[in-house]
Amino acid sequence: DAGVTQSPTHLIKTRGQQVTLRCSPKSGHDTVSWYQQALGQGPQFIFQYYEEEERQRGNFPDRFSGHQFPNYSSELNVNALLLGDSALYLCASSFRGGSRFTGELFFGEGSRLTVL
Amino acid sequence: SQQGEEDPQALSIQEGENATMNCSYKTSINNLQWYRQNSGRGLVHLILIRSNEREKHSGRLRVTLDTSKKSSSLLITASRAADTASYFCATGLNTGTASKLTFGTGTRLQVTL
Repeated sequence: DAGVTQSPTHLIKTRGQQVTLRCSPKSGHDTVSWYQQALGQGPQFIFQYYEEEERQRGNFPDRFSGHQFPNYSSELNVNALLLGDSALYLCASSFRGGSRFTGELFFGEGSRLTVL
Repeated sequence: SQQGEEDPQALSIQEGENATMNCSYKTSINNLQWYRQNSGRGLVHLILIRSNEREKHSGRLRVTLDTSKKSSSLLITASRAADTASYFCATGLNTGTASKLTFGTGTRLQVTL
């Protein structure tokens, strides 16, 4: 049973560029959340997708956008990259449907973005 | 913004000793969870305690929750070198069709032989 997979694992961009990160949730999961983790900090919630809609959003600017596809996979897009966007971007999946929602998240290994 | 604050920020112990980490949070919660992270990799869920529970055990892990003080503690007994990692508490809040985990700043645990 494949867990949460993210791609790419590492990437380097320059200021002003745009980046797309991808996530495939754990089999059977229907909800995807994205987190940003700066070096030495805890993960910060970006947004959550369920049924192809953004359900909740953290304190991030509109430069951060996302999408969820019918197969539950998700993308995170960041436009007009800033140096401060350098971080580990983590995708987490969970199952929301019915009464099985427990709140536990399953994380991928992350995509490490460096902005020069 | 971070919801929780872990204490201590860093902890160094010898193998076989117990490690205790504390977490404080600010707002109402549905549950509190602890996660482990090795060297900037993905987080692994360790244990979840609901807001109406006071203590929970899982293997060598013991978690307590005091909602009146808005605090939790994680105890790892008989620590091993493999327990070396960063540990994060996260508060969970479910609101209708959405749920959100808010993480603390983490405790870096070093277990030496």
